[in-house]
Amino acid sequence: QVQLVESGGGVVQPGRSLRLSCAGSGFTFSNYGMHWVRQAPGKGLEWVAVISYDGSDQYYADSVKGRFTISRDNSKNMLYLQMNSLRAEDTAVYYCARGRQWLVLGKFDNWGQGTQVTVSS
Amino acid sequence: EVVLTQSPGTLSLSPGERATLSCRASQSVSSTYLAWYQQKPGQAPRLIYGASSRATGIPDRFSGNVSGTDFTLTISRLEPEDFAVYYCQHYGSSPPIAFGQGTRLEIK
Repeated sequence: QVQLVESGGGVVQPGRSLRLSCAGSGFTFSNYGMHWVRQAPGKGLEWVAVISYDGSDQYYADSVKGRFTISRDNSKNMLYLQMNSLRAEDTAVYYCARGRQWLVLGKFDNWGQGTQVTVSS
Repeated sequence: EVVLTQSPGTLSLSPGERATLSCRASQSVSSTYLAWYQQKPGQAPRLIYGASSRATGIPDRFSGNVSGTDFTLTISRLEPEDFAVYYCQHYGSSPPIAFGQGTRLEIK
């Protein structure tokens, strides 16, 4: 069955960096667009970034553009989110989600369990 | 950029009742690019409905409808496990991807 497992979350000071990882299994990882979505405490869902199946295209929410970088390693079935210049408002649970086969955009049919990122001094 | 507005914010109903959740788009969008997710406390969201069809394993008491810029998720007869927060999403043909702010469906 499809499985997505995030890791790398933690507590970090404002201005510092953190890298999240998401391991995919149970499907042909290299065929799918992959997304990061976050949820601040007590708030709704916010789309963060997407990467195409082959890594050639990336798109970001305005709130993270220029600070976050999404990448993938299809040889390892891994998705990453490099987060730089972190701010308090980046505090959230970060989910990776599987998008659509071959296309950048699509509904999210599988989600990981999430990893908590807390930005605090 | 599409903005999605969900209503009501909270819906209080009893098991066995019918639930109607609304999602209004700020501009004309295709129902092909509209999805609904269910999220229970402490859990990841789960796809309920997308591209005009139910996701795998979702019971047929869940149905979706569209009228212009208004999208509706209907749960015909509420089961105890249906009480959760529901989000609509538009993924369109180009980023960004938009989520509505959510509707909390609670037991009355």
